[in-house]
Amino acid sequence: AQSVTQPDIHITVSEGASLELRCNYSYGATPYLFWYVQSPGQGLQLLLKYFSGDTLVQGIKGFEAEFKRSQSSFNLRKPSVHWSDAAEYFCAVGLNFGNEKLTFGTGTRLTIIP
Amino acid sequence: DTEVTQTPKHLVMGMTNKKSLKCEQHMGHRAMYWYKQKAKKPPELMFVYSYEKLSINESVPSRFSPECPNSSLLNLHLHALQPEDSALYLCASSPNPQGGSGNTIYFGEGSWLTVV
Repeated sequence: AQSVTQPDIHITVSEGASLELRCNYSYGATPYLFWYVQSPGQGLQLLLKYFSGDTLVQGIKGFEAEFKRSQSSFNLRKPSVHWSDAAEYFCAVGLNFGNEKLTFGTGTRLTIIP
Repeated sequence: DTEVTQTPKHLVMGMTNKKSLKCEQHMGHRAMYWYKQKAKKPPELMFVYSYEKLSINESVPSRFSPECPNSSLLNLHLHALQPEDSALYLCASSPNPQGGSGNTIYFGEGSWLTVV
């Protein structure tokens, strides 16, 4: 069965510093990969997605992610974080079984310090 | 516009009450979903509707009853819930029930449910 691992439960970063959130997946074929962000008390907002093609994907709010097949990873990066980036970040794998089913990682909570 | 609208945003109900959560999208999406999210946990899939037909039920207790009256609306009827059912209920939609490249799932803001 497919699975998604986000090894870091909680990350603290200084405002203006760079950020990398890790995501590893386990799946027999190339999956569809997503990063979602959830601010406290809110729903999920799509940051970016990878289906095929260029392995470096640009998203909203200055985020990017790189798909590395050899490492089964899809890490999220941002060169300079802002206080408003504090949130929960979920990596997800989408599978095509006739219906799209998202399998989520356990999430990484990002705290920004001044 | 990638908007999924959910009402109410907050709901408190007793264990003997009957209530409903509502979800609406006007993006022409033909797949709609209900997810449940407990505090500090990822969302968990409950139901999937494809072309207004229930296609996936992830072994959800019968006290949760989904309904898809038309391609834009999705309801979740609630009856005889337990306190452990308190959670954030997220509705989502995607363009194509067959999935495939470019088929992204968009989420609403969620409905916070408290069962007392």
